[in-house]
Amino acid sequence: GESVGLHLPTLSVQEGDNSIINCAYSNSASDYFIWYKQESGKGPQFIIDIRSNMDKRQGQRVTVLLNKTVKHLSLQIAATQPGDSAVYFCAETWTGKTSYDKVIFGPGTSLSVIP
Amino acid sequence: GAVVSQHPSRVICKSGTSVKIECRSLDFQATTMFWYRQFPKKSLMLMATSNEGSKATYEQGVEKDKFLINHASLTLSTLTVTSAHPEDSSFYICSAATRGQETQYFGPGTRLLVL
Repeated sequence: GESVGLHLPTLSVQEGDNSIINCAYSNSASDYFIWYKQESGKGPQFIIDIRSNMDKRQGQRVTVLLNKTVKHLSLQIAATQPGDSAVYFCAETWTGKTSYDKVIFGPGTSLSVIP
Repeated sequence: GAVVSQHPSRVICKSGTSVKIECRSLDFQATTMFWYRQFPKKSLMLMATSNEGSKATYEQGVEKDKFLINHASLTLSTLTVTSAHPEDSSFYICSAATRGQETQYFGPGTRLLVL
């Protein structure tokens, strides 16, 4: 089912440490996944994406891992900084041939960075 | 690139009045726009999907006559909350996407408070 409307899990990390945020997605047909960062009072901001034909993708200080066998997605943030404090959402979608298909958002994880 | 704006950013209105929220894609043409609602510390809940020039597709449980969506051009979509009531108070976020590209780009959100 859709993972919306649940309470936010939280993660606290020390500044400089690495953060790992996990996400279980719901649809085995999903073939495109995105991580978004949402700061308080703002809209979600695109961080990184990955397609189902990959199992790892790296960006600047961030890495996304995809395990299709167990329908699991993770976001790794290296050397976490105070500015990384936010709510992180994973999102899944299945790319249709004739229309844009909706994106399903996970419940989100609140990341707090301890200075 | 891929900037989406929303106006207003914050609105307070009296119960029974209607409120219009605008969503604009500033530097790209958005063939599809999405409207989400978000409660505090919760995930994004998709309300409706609108394709330029077509009627919006509403999610189950979202009242079409209550939340009027218009996507008249490739850069503008509007959400009108009709006869607003206190329970409509929420954070409304739009996103925009271009056909052929799966990534949605989000606006900054509009905080609606109905007194």
